[in-house]
Amino acid sequence: EAQVTQNPRYLITVTGKKLTVTCSQNMNHEYMSWYRQDPGLGLRQIYYSMNVEVTDKGDVPEGYKVSRKEKRNFPLILESPSPNQTSLYFCASSLKISTEAFFGQGTRLTVV
Amino acid sequence: GESVGLHLPTLSVQEGDNSIINCAYSNSASDYFIWYKQESGKGPQFIIDIRSNMDKRQGQRVTVLLNKTVKHLSLQIAATQPGDSAVYFCAERYRGYQKVTFGTGTKLQVIP
Repeated sequence: EAQVTQNPRYLITVTGKKLTVTCSQNMNHEYMSWYRQDPGLGLRQIYYSMNVEVTDKGDVPEGYKVSRKEKRNFPLILESPSPNQTSLYFCASSLKISTEAFFGQGTRLTVV
Repeated sequence: GESVGLHLPTLSVQEGDNSIINCAYSNSASDYFIWYKQESGKGPQFIIDIRSNMDKRQGQRVTVLLNKTVKHLSLQIAATQPGDSAVYFCAERYRGYQKVTFGTGTKLQVIP
C-alpha cells in the first residue's frame, strides 16, 4: 500500500530535549516536505527536499533541521524544542513538486 | 484533530445540495493549484488539481474552476454527502519555486 508513515503520532516533551520525528515513504517519490499546522494558520512549510542530499528552507524553518540521506526517509529534527513548537506536524511526499502530495497521519507534538 | 477546524470560515450545506468552496490565491505567477480535503484526525488528502493553462477540470463529483484574471479558485462538490464534511484547503505553487503554499482552509459542514 502506498503510504507516508510518520512516527510517533503523539509526543509530549520538555523544553530543550532534542527529538526526531521520522517520515518514510514507499512510493519512490523525489519531493518530500514537512509542514506544521496551527489553528487559523493553515499548513506552513518548514523544510522541503527535492531529492537525496538536496534540502531547502520553507516558510518557517527556524528551530528545525532535516536530512535526506536516503530517498525514502526525511526526518525532522528539533535540536532544542521550545513551547512555540507545540503543533501538529505533517510529512508529505510527491513524485515532483507539481504533482499531488501524499500526507502522513500527522504527529501531535507538545513541548512543555 | 478538531483544533484544525477552529477559527475557520464555515460553509454549511444541506445533504444533496451542491457546495462551492472559494479560494483567493496570492501570486499571479502561480502555475499549479491543488485542492486537499482534511478529515478530523487525518492528514490532508488530494482531491483535484489544475494547471494554469486550464480554466476548468472535472473529477468524480468535483469540479475545480480557475479564474486567473481575479486570482480565484473554486471547488464545486455535486450532491454533497455527510462524508464530505471536512476542512478544505487550496494550495498554489509559484512558478519557478520549489514549494507549495497552502491557504488557511474552509470548513464544510453537511447537514443531514
